[in-house]
Amino acid sequence: DVVLTQTPPTLSATIGQSVSISCRSSQSLLDSDGDTYLNWLLQRPGQSPQLLIYSVSNLESGVPNRFSGSGSETDFTLKISGVEAEDLGVYYCMQATHAPYTFGAGTKLELK
Amino acid sequence: QVQLKESGPGLVQPSETLSLTCTVSGFSLTSYSVSWVRQPSGKGPEWMGRMWYDGDTAYNSALKSRLSISRDTSKNQVFLKMNSLQTDDTGTYYCTAEASYWGQGVMVTVSS
Repeated sequence: DVVLTQTPPTLSATIGQSVSISCRSSQSLLDSDGDTYLNWLLQRPGQSPQLLIYSVSNLESGVPNRFSGSGSETDFTLKISGVEAEDLGVYYCMQATHAPYTFGAGTKLELK
Repeated sequence: QVQLKESGPGLVQPSETLSLTCTVSGFSLTSYSVSWVRQPSGKGPEWMGRMWYDGDTAYNSALKSRLSISRDTSKNQVFLKMNSLQTDDTGTYYCTAEASYWGQGVMVTVSS
């Protein structure tokens, strides 16, 4: 199974600060169809996960453009340009290139 | 408006079978795939399996011997059945359409 390693496990930020989360894969997530199925999700306390970014860098509809994704093959990054209070929660990367699909262990974003 | 809603028993006896239903609206099961994802309390999500839009299925190999996913397109429902439940199967079970849309989740406790 593909292992996704997220760092850091916890991130303390002030409102307005820009932060980045790393997700490294144990194998390339480039699919034979040319797409890379690496997604980023946010789970706020007591809520279901919410898709933020799909296929590395595509912003899901309705998601603020302060969220951006980048990377390729095995190294990926989620950046939040100016954290807002509603961004607090746990961020997960998830790969859907290789079955079984897998999730990273999560990065908890909290207020400093 | 796309919606997914999980339903099923909140309490299951050890060694018994879990049966859950995901009822969807706002899209056709013949156009979008639906996955089941579970999450133990305080831990990260685990992908369980997927009902593809064409009726094919894919399973997490760790659960494959115990898990079955099926659907009734006329009722817009996707079903999960998992047998031989143990206490570590306790958690919240979600259905999700392409990771873009998620149900509210159903909490399942395995206990005698």
